[in-house]
Amino acid sequence: EVQLVQSGAEVKKPGESLKISCKGSGYSFTSYWIGWVRQMPGKGLEWMGIIYPGDSDTRYSPSFQGQVTISADKSISTAYLQWSSLKASDTAMYYCATPYGDDAFDIWGQGTMVTVSS
Amino acid sequence: DIQMTQSPSSLSASVGDRVTITCQASQDISNYLNWYQQKPGKAPKLLIYDASNLETGVPSRFSGSGSGTDFTFTISSLQPEDIATYYCQQYDNLPRWTFGQGTKVEIK
Repeated sequence: EVQLVQSGAEVKKPGESLKISCKGSGYSFTSYWIGWVRQMPGKGLEWMGIIYPGDSDTRYSPSFQGQVTISADKSISTAYLQWSSLKASDTAMYYCATPYGDDAFDIWGQGTMVTVSS
Repeated sequence: DIQMTQSPSSLSASVGDRVTITCQASQDISNYLNWYQQKPGKAPKLLIYDASNLETGVPSRFSGSGSGTDFTFTISSLQPEDIATYYCQQYDNLPRWTFGQGTKVEIK
């Protein structure tokens, strides 16, 4: 079964760093892009960026360029989303997803809730 | 960047009603458009890809149409389990995607 499993919920303070993960299984991890999507409380979906684990080619939405870093470790089939200095406005649910079957995100992780509060 | 304008932002309809949601792109995106359903507390689920292709296992009451800049998503007969927020997503310039603002569907 093709699936993405994300790391658990996080509660952090402003200014702290954070790295959340998304582990792929059941498919060739290096052959498919993995993207990240933000959903702020009560709001819509925002595409943040995407990485191709095979060669680490990474693209960002202009809205998120410089705000987060996307990376992957193909040896353990895991993609990451990280922040160097969190802000309260980073409070959101974060999903990873992959366009496995077509140019659409047909496989999604369960989401990681990140709460940033003093 | 291509902007997606989705409407309405919310709607209320009765069980059995036909429901239509539209999505307009700021420039021609051919048929590079997908539709997703998101139920509260759940990850989004792909329903329609390439504007009109039904994802495997998705009920046939869901359909999509359109090309160029104007797209339509239809639920032919609204069911209670269809209560959710629906999003369009364009992918004209891979590997970049953009979501519409979403449409919340409620039962009247």
